Amino acid sequence: DAGITQSPRHKVTETGTPVTLRCHQTENHRYMYWYRQDPGHGLRLIHYSYGVKDTDKGEVSDGYSVSRSKTEDFLLTLESATSSQTSVYFCAISATGSSYEQYFGPGTRLTVT
Amino acid sequence: EDKVVQSPLSLVVHEGDTVTLNCSYEVTNFRSLLWYKQEKKAPTFLFMLTSSGIEKKSGRLSSILDKKELFSILNITATQTGDSAVYLCAVSIQGAQKLVFGQGTRLTINP
Repeated sequence: DAGITQSPRHKVTETGTPVTLRCHQTENHRYMYWYRQDPGHGLRLIHYSYGVKDTDKGEVSDGYSVSRSKTEDFLLTLESATSSQTSVYFCAISATGSSYEQYFGPGTRLTVT
Repeated sequence: EDKVVQSPLSLVVHEGDTVTLNCSYEVTNFRSLLWYKQEKKAPTFLFMLTSSGIEKKSGRLSSILDKKELFSILNITATQTGDSAVYLCAVSIQGAQKLVFGQGTRLTINP
């Protein structure tokens, strides 16, 4: 299995609080992605990174920000969590970009009450 | 808008049956199509298809792409209970760093 970990694995938080999810990889892959998975929607891309300090938006980026200060870490921040952000969040990595297989982390289940 | 549609959304069969899962797409600048299997955890990669008509095969699973009709199928023969999972189809877009995923097909294999 690709060396990807996510933390925390489960989190319950209240509406309006800030939340940061962490993705850590040991593969030295250049590309990292954050997805959310909701019933009926499959996986949707939130943000991605193509290098240290290089990030861009995905299709559902509103309400989320990211940072990548080191190759191995990609952080996803919900500045002020809302109930609509209750979801399972997956991090993925890729050595050469999205046309090649992406390897997914174990996921973080976030509940916003 | 780029779109990937999978069918059926849910399928229940008996062990030993053969199943065919469908994935159709409408995207700008197609690059490749990927299949993933998701059990109660992270999706795991199955196949990547880039050329029409060339079957990819791994054990009892096989997949083929039709770039003219814009679809792919995933076949599973002699199904086993361990094949129960959500199967995700995704399309990679040329020049864009993203995968567009379908909704997934939930496959249940009953003994």
